[in-house]
Amino acid sequence: AQSVTQLDSQVPVFEEAPVELRCNYSSSVSVYLFWYVQYPNQGLQLLLKYLSGSTLVKGINGFEAEFNKSQTSFHLRKPSVHISDTAEYFCAVTGFSGGYNKLIFGAGTRLAVHP
Amino acid sequence: DTGVSQNPRHKITKRGQNVTFRCDPISEHNRLYWYRQTLGQGPEFLTYFQNEAQLEKSRLLSDRFSAERPKGSFSTLEIQRTEQGDSAMYLCASDRWDTQYFGPGTRLTVL
Repeated sequence: AQSVTQLDSQVPVFEEAPVELRCNYSSSVSVYLFWYVQYPNQGLQLLLKYLSGSTLVKGINGFEAEFNKSQTSFHLRKPSVHISDTAEYFCAVTGFSGGYNKLIFGAGTRLAVHP
Repeated sequence: DTGVSQNPRHKITKRGQNVTFRCDPISEHNRLYWYRQTLGQGPEFLTYFQNEAQLEKSRLLSDRFSAERPKGSFSTLEIQRTEQGDSAMYLCASDRWDTQYFGPGTRLTVL
């Protein structure tokens, strides 16, 4: 079975400061990892994904994440946040078993960027 | 690529009524997924279709829930005899390879 733990339910940060949103996963098989962002009353938008290859992946809006297999982590980072980054961020994992993606999500981290 | 669309965006109903939601996936995507998201939580998998075949259903999907994808294109999710605990955001996603793209969701409120 797979699971995802997002270690912080809320992260307050000032504008232009760096931010890290933490995600740990557990899985008995090789995984694909994703970060999605959700703005109020909207669906989920893909930020970035790790499938294979380089462990540092870059996504949209200046976000990046690093896959660490030994620590089973996939933390999301941004060097300088904007007010518009205020949203809910979800980490998700899938083992792509059976030929399809059943995503397992964490509980989410609410990023609040203050001026 | 017009994205995944869902209708309606909001639905308010009284307990005991039936409701039906529709999802139109990205046209070339053969896989379609339904998730449920309650307040303050991440989405939880409900069911999955490959073309018209429903290949997996979560234990979350009680007998009151039914989903169809009759021609392998759009899908419907029906909830019969709604309960207040069914209040949630219902999300649809589709993919062809390795990445799911989500629709805007249908927010259900059961009074």
